[in-house]
Amino acid sequence: EIVLTQSPGTLSLSPGERATLSCRASQSVSSSYLAWYQQKPGQAPRLLIYGASSRATGIPDRFSGSGSGTDFTLTISRLEPEDFAVYYCQQYGSPEGITFGPGTKVDIK
Amino acid sequence: EVQLVESGGGLVQPGRSLRLSCAASGFTFDDYAMHWVRQAPGKGLEWVSGISWNSGSIGYADSVKGRFTISRDNAKNSLYLQMNSLRAEDTALYYCAKVLPITMVQGRLGAFDIWGQGTMVTVSS
Repeated sequence: EIVLTQSPGTLSLSPGERATLSCRASQSVSSSYLAWYQQKPGQAPRLLIYGASSRATGIPDRFSGSGSGTDFTLTISRLEPEDFAVYYCQQYGSPEGITFGPGTKVDIK
Repeated sequence: EVQLVESGGGLVQPGRSLRLSCAASGFTFDDYAMHWVRQAPGKGLEWVSGISWNSGSIGYADSVKGRFTISRDNAKNSLYLQMNSLRAEDTALYYCAKVLPITMVQGRLGAFDIWGQGTMVTVSS
């Protein structure tokens, strides 16, 4: 099973600042089958990024994804008030099944 | 409107069974692989199971293998999760989710572009 580790656990930033979230895999993620989700309290997760760097429909361009192999990054260029949430990475390329990272909480400093 | 609506959750004693349903609308259900994902209270996301469009490919997390069974009825636009031998650690909000076609891998895996609002399962005596 591919284990995903996210860092930091919590990121405290102010609106307008840049957020950089990390996701590291225990083994290489095939063909960058890596996605990022945003989840707000009481809501279902929302797909932000798939294929490591492709934005899902309707996602603002302040969200960007990068990386390959075992190291991936989600960047939010300028935090808007609605971006404070928990972010999860997910790998979906392993025949053993899908796994999620433990999440990074982005909260207001 | 594209929508997934889960139902069937509730309070159940350890060792008992429960069947969850997910009703799909607003899209051609039998074109897409579908999955169940759960989230224990205050915890992160955990993939549970997934099924290809024609039920030809099915997978389970190790934590539920042998106890849970995923199925679908394309004529009814519905996804199901039969949960047997329930344990306290199965307590969670259960989401159904649709695979984004461009991300499809091996006919079943993929990123999830549509999620339901979830149905809560509580396993307790």
